[in-house]
Amino acid sequence: DQQVKQNSPSLSVQEGRISILNCDYTNSMFDYFLWYKKYPAEGPTFLISISSIKDKNEDGRFTVFLNKSAKHLSLHIVPSQPGDSAVYFCAASAYTSQGNLIFGKGTKLSVKP
Amino acid sequence: GAGVSQTPSNKVTEKGKYVELRCDPISGHTALYWYRQSLGQGPEFLIYFQGTGAADDSGLPNDRFFAVRPEGSVSTLKIQRTERGDSAVYLCASSLTLSNEQFFGPGTRLTVL
Repeated sequence: DQQVKQNSPSLSVQEGRISILNCDYTNSMFDYFLWYKKYPAEGPTFLISISSIKDKNEDGRFTVFLNKSAKHLSLHIVPSQPGDSAVYFCAASAYTSQGNLIFGKGTKLSVKP
Repeated sequence: GAGVSQTPSNKVTEKGKYVELRCDPISGHTALYWYRQSLGQGPEFLIYFQGTGAADDSGLPNDRFFAVRPEGSVSTLKIQRTERGDSAVYLCASSLTLSNEQFFGPGTRLTVL
C-alpha cells in the first residue's frame, strides 16, 4: 500500500514554461516532505523540503506547496530549463521515524528546448 | 569534495550466493542509510545507522539481509542466499547528523540470475 503517490509517471514541458509535479500522501503522521531529483546512473539529489508547519517554501526557481487538509504537495519549477530533465521523487518522513524516508515512484520530467 | 561512494557499481551473482555491498559515506557524516530501488519504483528504506549502531532496521525485508558499520564510517550490506527478487539498485546515503536531507551515492546494481 503506497503511502506516497506520484500518479503521473511522466511530464513534458516546453523550456521557459512552468513545470508542476504533484504528490499525494496517506499517512497523517508525516510531518516533513522533500523532493529529490535523479539523473540516470546517479543517486537522488536533495532539491527542496517543507515542514508541515508551513504551506510554502521557495528556493530560486523551485517552490514547494503543501496542502495538509488534502494531503497533497506540489513542486513548481519556473522557468523550466532543459537541464531540469530528470526523474523527480517526492518523499515524506514522520517525526517518530526521522531519517526513514518514504518515496513515491517518481515522475520523469522532460523539458524540451 | 568526495561524495558517497559505493562499490561495486555492478554485481551479477547466481541465485543462492552471498553478496556484500560496500558504502563509503562522506567523511565526518555520522548517519548512514541504505535503500533499495526496484525497477519502476522509488527508493525503499532498509536501515540506517547513527555511528556504529543500527538505529532503525525496520525496512530490512527478512533475515537474509544484514548490515554493519563497525567503525562508524564504512558500511557493508550483506545478503545471504540471494534470490532473483533481490535484483535492484542498492543505494547508500549519508548525512552529518540524523536528517531527512541525505546525500546519496550512485548505487550498486545487483542482478541475481
